[in-house]
Amino acid sequence: DIQMTQSPSSLSASLGDRVTISCRASQSISNYLNWYQQKPGTAPKLLIFAASSLEGGVPSRFSGSGSGTDFTLTISSLQPEDFAIYFCQQSYSTPLTFGPGTKVDVK
Amino acid sequence: QLQLQESGPGLVKPSETLSLTCSVSGGSFSSSDYYCGWVRQPPGKGLEWVGHIFYSRSTYYNPSLKSRATISLDQSRTQVSLTLTSVTAADTAVYYCARISLTETVDYFDSWGQGSLVTVTS
Repeated sequence: DIQMTQSPSSLSASLGDRVTISCRASQSISNYLNWYQQKPGTAPKLLIFAASSLEGGVPSRFSGSGSGTDFTLTISSLQPEDFAIYFCQQSYSTPLTFGPGTKVDVK
Repeated sequence: QLQLQESGPGLVKPSETLSLTCSVSGGSFSSSDYYCGWVRQPPGKGLEWVGHIFYSRSTYYNPSLKSRATISLDQSRTQVSLTLTSVTAADTAVYYCARISLTETVDYFDSWGQGSLVTVTS
């Protein structure tokens, strides 16, 4: 199985801050990496697919980068609606696996 | 626009079988462009892929479930069912039905149901 790790596990940030979340795969997954945002009591929402492609309707302040084993999700200027948990997920091989999540909260 | 809605009992006794249904509106799983998958999330924890089914009814499961899971697709391809046998407290989770879009580059979960909380308790 491909193990996904994320860092940090949580972070505190202020409105307008640039936020970076890292995701690492236990083996190379090319660009088979997706990012999701989850708010309390709701289902995850797709933000980024194929490491760097923005899902339709997702604000351009979200961006993704990386390939192989190391990936990054960046929020260029944190907005109130961005406080949430972010998960990465690999679709290189089954079993599909998710990272443990990064919680972004208010500083 | 595709909508997914999970339904099923909220309480299941240990050693019994969990059964959930995902009803699809605004579309169906009759295309080779999609899978229908199940993902679960124990309270306060992360996401775990359970398995998914293709329009041809090919299925894929997480080996961690040790063959306890079965996913099926009805005749109209608008209802997807999940059964999980011999449940324990560790199976307590919110179960999400989700569409997996297949592309030339990568597959991803792009549409999710609201989730159904299943608690395993005697």
